[in-house]
Amino acid sequence: DSGVTQTPKHLITATGQRVTLRCSPRSGDLSVYWYQQSLDQGLQFLIQYYNGEERAKGNILERFSAQQFPDLHSELNLSSLELGDSALYFCASSPSGSALYEQYFGPGTRLTVT
Amino acid sequence: GQQLNQSPQSMFIQEGEDVSMNCTSSSIFNTWLWYKQDPGEGPVLLIALYKAGELTSNGRLTAQFGITRKDSFLNISASIPSDVGIYFCAGRGSNFGNEKLTFGTGTRLTIIP
Repeated sequence: DSGVTQTPKHLITATGQRVTLRCSPRSGDLSVYWYQQSLDQGLQFLIQYYNGEERAKGNILERFSAQQFPDLHSELNLSSLELGDSALYFCASSPSGSALYEQYFGPGTRLTVT
Repeated sequence: GQQLNQSPQSMFIQEGEDVSMNCTSSSIFNTWLWYKQDPGEGPVLLIALYKAGELTSNGRLTAQFGITRKDSFLNISASIPSDVGIYFCAGRGSNFGNEKLTFGTGTRLTIIP
């Protein structure tokens, strides 16, 4: 158990809909990272938040957005969903934004868009 | 998005055999990491490497940070059934605001009875 929690575990929704994925980092960790894992693209970095502020952006679509709240949990919002958005979404956390600390992953949310 | 080249893509071995896999990149990384992922679970960190040429062990696992900083290797000795899974390498730059991980394509390890 990495100490990172994600909800829900599974999510099935229809095209065009909007969903919110939630992540609680390990106790004391300030940095949260979101990754997408699909069969044909592997694990891809989406976005990083550090202590409530956006730190870095990766291959995140404009239809996707994220935020980190004062209690340090984070939410990833996916809107206008398409079939191709079906994937595993992982959250990872680390103690700080520094590269000296490693990232520990949550169990993921499996999103299926039908 | 960018991915690291990882080989082999899959391995079928017998219990007790040693395993070797590697990861190469066209870019330099300052940190190399190796993760293992079981079906339906998140990646679990196995080994982290911080210096070119570094050789680090974690039980039966040994990993090396290539001298060129563009590659890394993972060896598993005397494989056991719980080693089955997908192994990912990941590289990371060290610049402020660049802590994101770039992942390899994965090596799927299967143990033949």
